[in-house]
Amino acid sequence: EPEVTQTPSHQVTQMGQEVILRCVPISNHLYFYWYRQILGQKVEFLVSFYNNEISEKSEIFDDQFSVERPDGSNFTLKIRSTKLEDSAMYFCASSPFSIPNGYTFGSGTRLTVV
Amino acid sequence: QQQVKQSPQSLIVQKGGISIINCAYENTAFDYFPWYQQFPGKGPALLIAIRPDVSEKKEGRFTISFNKSAKQFSLHIMDSQPGDSATYFCAASLEGSNYKLTFGKGTLLTVNP
Repeated sequence: EPEVTQTPSHQVTQMGQEVILRCVPISNHLYFYWYRQILGQKVEFLVSFYNNEISEKSEIFDDQFSVERPDGSNFTLKIRSTKLEDSAMYFCASSPFSIPNGYTFGSGTRLTVV
Repeated sequence: QQQVKQSPQSLIVQKGGISIINCAYENTAFDYFPWYQQFPGKGPALLIAIRPDVSEKKEGRFTISFNKSAKQFSLHIMDSQPGDSATYFCAASLEGSNYKLTFGKGTLLTVNP
């Protein structure tokens, strides 16, 4: 069964450093998403991406966050200057069409900011 | 307006019992209500979903009951098994928002053998 692949599985970074979280969505999917889950809390929407542009973003997704689909296969989330409160599990998801029946989540990247 | 409230926070059930998890929403524009199952170290996986034009949907041992007037929906797991032990999230979304999901806080289900 096709998978959404996320790397790395765990990243530790120092506060103020830039991090890039990588995702390889399922190949024929068109819609891409990032969600995050702070330990023990609910999963929260960050951003959706379609046709090479952001289609919607949450209030969490401020200027320190950016997304990119650099080569037609990877989908990346960049955090420019990490803060302690950015520590969370970050999930990438993709969908072949704009309904969540087709949502497939990756296994996540655990980001720890120290 | 966008919140989805989920209860209980944790649930312990004996093998063979019925697990019931409840969710309530505020935004009447929501038109899609999925349940996700998450095992430790994994991403959420779609379990079952319902739209507000039906009151119940059943898939195997999993049933969603939907009460539009009360703005509530629930997941029932019949004949619960130890392998069902996981965190369950309800969610809601609406067309026109790129179907971004608004999740509940999750329920940690433990099924004892």
